[in-house]
Amino acid sequence: EAGVAQSPRYKIIEKRQSVAFWCNPISGHATLYWYQQILGQGPKLLIQFQNNGVVDDSQLPKDRFSAERLKGVDSTLKIQPAKLEDSAVYLCASSLEIASTYEQYFGPGTRLTVT
Amino acid sequence: AQSVSQHNHHVILSEAASLELGCNYSYGGTVNLFWYVQYPGQHLQLLLKYFSGDPLVKGIKGFEAEFIKSKFSFNLRKPSVQWSDTAEYFCAVNNQGGSEKLVFGKGTKLTVNP
Repeated sequence: EAGVAQSPRYKIIEKRQSVAFWCNPISGHATLYWYQQILGQGPKLLIQFQNNGVVDDSQLPKDRFSAERLKGVDSTLKIQPAKLEDSAVYLCASSLEIASTYEQYFGPGTRLTVT
Repeated sequence: AQSVSQHNHHVILSEAASLELGCNYSYGGTVNLFWYVQYPGQHLQLLLKYFSGDPLVKGIKGFEAEFIKSKFSFNLRKPSVQWSDTAEYFCAVNNQGGSEKLVFGKGTKLTVNP
């Protein structure tokens, strides 16, 4: 079974530029998550999708971050404009269903450096 | 709001030593508890989980964790560590029957010296 795919793996941009990350979840997984992991901290949920609908985006900085999952499969996360504090690893995860007991499978992450 | 505290930032052990990593959570309701591990250069992966029943749960690679409800704790243990256990370990919690949003601790980096 193929895992969660993410690209790019690394990205370096200057502040005020824009950037986009892509995620392809495990086939058949209805729930998709984007996490932000700042160095020295645990992952923090940014947004959660169930199929193509948003379930939770309470911690997404909506003035600069946006995410979509138009066809209920792959997803993109965008930052525009980027700030220095956005430097982090962005993790995508997926689970079979939305219930709290379903295991979340994580991708390799995209390491973003904002200079 | 839920929060998770991991007491140790970096633990250094020699092979064959016993391991215990602390995890405490703050939440008044019924929770699910998880330990995730990230080996160098690899993805986060599930080590073990607790939903209900026997508070002592066993995971992969000889790890176990004990849920102590009165202490709001879910400590991870292994009787004898190996060099290959070198990794970062994250404790996480979500609430049963509600938002399955995982809240993670800051992680504990474990270094096992051969």
